[in-house]
Amino acid sequence: QLQLQESGPGLVKPSETLSLTCTVSNDSISSSSYYWGWIRQPPGEGLDWIGSVYYSGSTYYNPSLKSRVTISVDTSKNQVSLNLTSVTAADTAVYYCVEGYYYFQQCGQGTLVTVSS
Amino acid sequence: DIQMTQSPSSLSASVGDRVTITCRASQSIRTYLNWYQQKPGEGPNLLIYGASSLQSGVPSRFSGSGSGTDFTLTISSLQPEDFATYYCQQSYSTPLTFGGGTKVEIK
Repeated sequence: QLQLQESGPGLVKPSETLSLTCTVSNDSISSSSYYWGWIRQPPGEGLDWIGSVYYSGSTYYNPSLKSRVTISVDTSKNQVSLNLTSVTAADTAVYYCVEGYYYFQQCGQGTLVTVSS
Repeated sequence: DIQMTQSPSSLSASVGDRVTITCRASQSIRTYLNWYQQKPGEGPNLLIYGASSLQSGVPSRFSGSGSGTDFTLTISSLQPEDFATYYCQQSYSTPLTFGGGTKVEIK
């Protein structure tokens, strides 16, 4: 079974860039027709879709974040990356790496990112 | 964007109860509707996809129904491990959107 593990800084300053990595285990990112993505959950709130990337590199972003977000795959490291620029306190959330596009069959444990000076 | 509205936002129930959660879409999404369970400190776990297909490994007491704009998640006999928050999610069009969640608590 796939395992997904998020990693990255837990604290980011306002206006800076949030960068997270998802390391995938037990299969190759590019061995099947996988979609990978990120969702987030502000403390005490619901779930929001950030965007998805096909194993070939095609991307799909939430229009509300599109100008600030980049999701990419690094097949050499078997990782999926998320970059979110110009962060504000509203970007404070638990960020989850997910596998799937229409629905998310696998999900990482999540990593809390706090935006604060 | 397609808005997803869940009801109720919370409910109290006892072990063995039959529980029904409703999700309504702001426009027809055919059967592009998925359900997740989330426990504190964990990511969402897929229960139902395509409105009524049971994800592998999910107990058969969970079932989903509906099409168009109105959908239902039913737990036929609530078990202690089912106390959690449940979310619906539409995959008919991007941006993919979730309902606000239904928290199932112990009565």
